[in-house]
Amino acid sequence: GQQLNQSPQSMFIQEGEDVSMNCTSSSIFNTWLWYKQEPGEGPVLLIALYKAGELTSNGRLTAQFGITRKDSFLNISASIPSDVGIYFCAGADSGTSYGKLTFGQGTILTVHP
Amino acid sequence: NAGVTQTPKFQVLKTGQSMTLQCAQDMNHEYMSWYRQDPGMGLRLIHYSVGAGITDQGEVPNGYNVSRSTTEDFPLRLLSAAPSQTSVYFCASSYRGRGGYTFGSGTRLTVV
Repeated sequence: GQQLNQSPQSMFIQEGEDVSMNCTSSSIFNTWLWYKQEPGEGPVLLIALYKAGELTSNGRLTAQFGITRKDSFLNISASIPSDVGIYFCAGADSGTSYGKLTFGQGTILTVHP
Repeated sequence: NAGVTQTPKFQVLKTGQSMTLQCAQDMNHEYMSWYRQDPGMGLRLIHYSVGAGITDQGEVPNGYNVSRSTTEDFPLRLLSAAPSQTSVYFCASSYRGRGGYTFGSGTRLTVV
């Protein structure tokens, strides 16, 4: 089946630093999604990407859909303590296959004030 | 709008017991899914549905049953609980696969 490799597995950074994480897939996806999960809660959608090469921002977050459709990255600029959490990438095909999201293993982000 | 509502939030079962995890959404979303989350393994798809009366298996369907009789509800049934089913379960919904999936807050299940 499809597999997503997300890296790094964890990051420990100082407040104000920029963060970069990425996902690579063994197969092509038509949609890439980035989620953030905080303790005791479900994942919350940060950015959705639907087109190869697409670059989308949401405040201090920027994500890109790789040209090959097998990868995506997420950047967080000027990190703040509330950025702490687990960040997941997810890939999906189009049409009814969109029902089958495949998730990466997650990146645990710790921000030191 | 309540979004995606999961009940119960916590549950302890004995091996061999059965139970149903409830999931309801009020956003008129056609697509609904169940995931389980285990440490270090991300979220893995159990079953999903692209509309009322339509369900399909995900990556880890064994030991779980689903049905989708209405657009709003997508219950997950454990017929005979096993310790390997100890996990956090998330339900999610989406509008025809656009705009990402909205997740519930999860059900933490322990099987002893």
